[in-house]
This record gives sequence, structure tokens and C-alpha cells, in this order.
Amino acid sequence: DAGVTQSPTHLIKTRGQQVTLRCSPKSGHDTVSWYQQALGQGPQFIFQYYEEEERQRGNFPDRFSGHQFPNYSSELNVNALLLGDSALYLCASSLDRGLSQHFGDGTRLSIL
Amino acid sequence: DQQVKQNSPSLSVQEGRISILNCDYTNSMFDYFLWYKKYPAEGPTFLISISSIKDKNEDGRFTVFLNKSAKHLSLHIVPSQPGDSAVYFCAASAGGGGSNYKLTFGKGTLLTVNP
Repeated sequence: DAGVTQSPTHLIKTRGQQVTLRCSPKSGHDTVSWYQQALGQGPQFIFQYYEEEERQRGNFPDRFSGHQFPNYSSELNVNALLLGDSALYLCASSLDRGLSQHFGDGTRLSIL
Repeated sequence: DQQVKQNSPSLSVQEGRISILNCDYTNSMFDYFLWYKKYPAEGPTFLISISSIKDKNEDGRFTVFLNKSAKHLSLHIVPSQPGDSAVYFCAASAGGGGSNYKLTFGKGTLLTVNP
């Protein structure tokens, strides 16, 4: 039973560039959430997707956008990258009205 | 404004003893609380949760206690094992008690269990 998978595992970009991160949810899950974890901090909620719609959004600028596909997989896009966007990006999946979110191992994004 | 606070960045205990990790919250709308464990280079792994209608939930060596009046919860690990060494995150959600809502995390506590 495959868990949550994220790609790539590591990524290096420069300021001003754009990046796309990908997530496949755990088998049977239909809801995907994205989190940003800066060094020394807890994960911060970016947004959640359900039925291909953004259902809830955290306090992140419009440079952060996402998408969910019919097979429930999801992408996180970040435009005009800033040095402060360097972080671990975590994807979590769950069943709508489920009791816990299952996390992937994350994508480590470094901005030079 | 941190709505979930873990005031101890680190905790060190001896193998076999009890580990107690603490968490405080400020948002009265939180009605569901979770603990996650995170090893380096891995994503957080769900440990145990508790609904605000309960004050205790137990799962094997792990017990979570909730004190709503104090807006405080704690995770007890008994007995502690070296494999428990990891960062522990407290998280909370509001509005329905399920994971279909965002989780608000604390900054985490690094637990080290010494053999």
C-alpha cells in the first residue's frame, strides 16, 4: 500500500524562477493539503484541495498556487521565488472527514 | 501569533523512564488535537489524537491528556525507548474535528532517549 509520494526530493532554484512540486496521495485518499516547513519551525498550512477545488487557504501570497487532478494527485506551484521560500514542502493526504493526515517525506527547496 | 506553542525545544530522558511533552494552545475554536513524530529526512508520522470531548486517549505506550480549561495538552510515553528519539509536533484543528480542515502546528520538541 503506497503512502504519500512527493517529487522531486530536492530542488535548487534561483530568485525569480518558478517551481512545480508534485504529490501523489495515499491510495484511497481524496484530499490533499500542502505545508511549508521552514528551518526550526513547525509545518505551516498553505492550502487544501478536495474535488479538484481549493477548499481552504492559509496565509500565503498568490505566488503560491495549486492544482488537483481527477486522480487526486496534486501540484504546488510557486512563482517569482524569494530567498525566504527556501523550506521543506510537505504534502499530506486524507479522506474527507478522515481523522488524520498522512504526510509524504517532502521536497527540500533551496533558493540561491 | 503562535496559536500552538511547544515551549520546550528539547527534552532528554533515560531509556525506560517516562517522557512528557507539553503543548499549549490559544484558539478556543480548536476541537481536535494530534501528535506527530518526525525523524530526519522523513515526513511527520501520525502518533495519537484526541477530541475535545475527551480528556484522555491511550494507545500502547502513548497517552495524550487534554485540559481544556487550561488549554493544555501533554503526550506521555512510557516506557521511553531509544527509537522514540525524534522531533514531536503538537497540532490542532478547528471546525468539525476532522482532518478535512487545516492543521496548526507547534514548533516541535526534540526528544532524545538515552540508552
